[in-house]
Amino acid sequence: EAQVTQNPRYLITVTGKKLTVTCSQNMNHEYMSWYRQDPGLGLRQIYYSMNVEVTDKGDVPEGYKVSRKEKRNFPLILESPSPNQTSLYFCASRSKGAPNQPQHFGDGTRLSIL
Amino acid sequence: DAKTTQPNSMESNEEEPVHLPCNHSTISGTDYIHWYRQLPSQGPEYVIHGLTSNVNNRMASLAIAEDRKSSTLILHRATLRDAAVYYCILFTTSGTYTYIFGTGTRLKVLA
Repeated sequence: EAQVTQNPRYLITVTGKKLTVTCSQNMNHEYMSWYRQDPGLGLRQIYYSMNVEVTDKGDVPEGYKVSRKEKRNFPLILESPSPNQTSLYFCASRSKGAPNQPQHFGDGTRLSIL
Repeated sequence: DAKTTQPNSMESNEEEPVHLPCNHSTISGTDYIHWYRQLPSQGPEYVIHGLTSNVNNRMASLAIAEDRKSSTLILHRATLRDAAVYYCILFTTSGTYTYIFGTGTRLKVLA
């Protein structure tokens, strides 16, 4: 089954404790991206990657890092989390091909930073 | 960056057509219009996309204004399972390849 898998699904942690949210896709997609979703603000793109070793900033990259060492994985790293990064996070992937290729989203990771 | 504006919420009766509007007055020539929807407790799922011409698929239709500054997602017969937040998105292929989501329209379907 084609899917995007995020882990963990839920995490409560404290300010300053480094954390990583993993994202893996099994569709051999080149393009992957991370979003955060906050009430009243919709989804905002954090980072995206066009292919292995190619990453770029989205709308709200501050406080986040990403890496793309393998095609299937695109982890989101919070080096020093702060309460304003409490949010619902989604990973997505799509085939690079034409711009009409749909994105496939994971089920989300809810982070609470105390 | 181009942005989209949508009504916060809409209601529809079951089995009736629904027209969900989206304004994107600053759209550029290389921006594609995508629609996604998000069911409760799930990630967004693709609905339809277009560039200039109207589009139909098994889920919905997309009507794009001639000047491309607005578009309308049409659900031909709303069902209770269509209750979701619908996002109108511009996918820019000019340089940044980013997706710009609006805040979405929450569709309520009444039985």
